[in-house]
Amino acid sequence: EPEVTQTPSHQVTQMGQEVILRCVPISNHLYFYWYRQILGQKVEFLVSFYNNEISEKSEIFDDQFSVERPDGSNFTLKIRSTKLEDSAMYFCATQRGLGLNIQYFGAGTRLSVL
Amino acid sequence: AQRVTQPEKLLSVFKGAPVELKCNYSYSGSPELFWYVQYSRQRLQLLLRHISRESIKGFTADLNKGETSFHLKKPFAQEEDSAMYYCAPPKGDGNKLVFGAGTILRVKS
Repeated sequence: EPEVTQTPSHQVTQMGQEVILRCVPISNHLYFYWYRQILGQKVEFLVSFYNNEISEKSEIFDDQFSVERPDGSNFTLKIRSTKLEDSAMYFCATQRGLGLNIQYFGAGTRLSVL
Repeated sequence: AQRVTQPEKLLSVFKGAPVELKCNYSYSGSPELFWYVQYSRQRLQLLLRHISRESIKGFTADLNKGETSFHLKKPFAQEEDSAMYYCAPPKGDGNKLVFGAGTILRVKS
């Protein structure tokens, strides 16, 4: 069964550094999402992306965050200047279409900001 | 605003006992609800969606509009059911998922 692939599985960075988290969607999927989960808290929506633009973003997704799909395959989440509170698991999810289509999740990237 | 409440952080049952994981929602409009599960060291995956009315791994969930609930049930728990369970409705045009806080199910032998 096709899977959403996320790299790296664990990223350690210094505060203030830029990080890029990568996601390879399932090939015929058109809708892409990033979620995050701070340790001990619920999974939170960050951003949705369709047709090469952001469809919706949460309050968490401020100017420090950006997403793109530069080569038509990888879907990336960039954090320009990381803060301690950005430490979390970041999950990519993809979906074939809207309606009641299922979102398939990647295994996640654990981001540790020191 | 749509809101999902999972009142129990942890539910601990013995193997063979019935399980009910609670989920209540507040909605405007007709709800669409999913249960996602995360087994230890595995990714989040869809367990059930209310529209399909199917049973997966022995779990069922009935949408009760009167009580605004979508509780997840299984008559006889198994040790391999131990996991984190999230109730989630999709929200908005883009179908983002709004997760409940999750309930850890521990099935003891």
